[in-house]
Amino acid sequence: GAVVSQHPSWVICKSGTSVKIECRSLDFQATTMFWYRQFPKQSLMLMATSNEGSKATYEQGVEKDKFLINHASLTLSTLTVTSAHPEDSSFYICSARAGLADPNEQFFGPGTRLTVL
Amino acid sequence: GQQVMQIPQYQHVQEGEDFTTYCNSSTTLSNIQWYKQRPGGHPVFLIQLVKSGEVKKQKRLTFQFGEAKKNSSLHITATQTTDVGTYFCAGLGTYKYIFGTGTRLKVLA
Repeated sequence: GAVVSQHPSWVICKSGTSVKIECRSLDFQATTMFWYRQFPKQSLMLMATSNEGSKATYEQGVEKDKFLINHASLTLSTLTVTSAHPEDSSFYICSARAGLADPNEQFFGPGTRLTVL
Repeated sequence: GQQVMQIPQYQHVQEGEDFTTYCNSSTTLSNIQWYKQRPGGHPVFLIQLVKSGEVKKQKRLTFQFGEAKKNSSLHITATQTTDVGTYFCAGLGTYKYIFGTGTRLKVLA
């Protein structure tokens, strides 16, 4: 199946610093990537939809100036958490639409666990 | 806004027992997907249902999409310890998938 990678897999940072998370589709081109956040024992909450070459669409309540998304190529999308604070500590997961056998099927990355001290 | 709820929130079963999780949407869905997330892992796509009343089977797993396309269920026959994890449904509304609240399954050997 299609493979999506994320880097880093975990990161610990000090409050006030910025953290960049990369999401790559390794063996397919993804015109659309999604960024989710998952707090412990909770469901996945969609943060934004990222389309290659255009501005991301953010969900209600998600600050676009705090969570910067860039989708510069068909295989890479990045999420930058700016001026991170402890409440931003979470599991961030990206997914990509492969558009292969099923246009709606999403392939998830392994996730990035962010801890802000 | 669109909400997708799942029941039960938790389920503990003895190995060999059956298990069912139910997914209910506040709005009609275009399709519904099911995912399994192992502890510490990421969601893995299981299946997609599109048609009203559709039933699909994968070995011991049976998936059903309601006639009104607002609810769905996942049934596991004769659970095994490898079935442990959280099962999420994700419903496609107007343009995006909304994940259900999830059902955490524990299987006791």
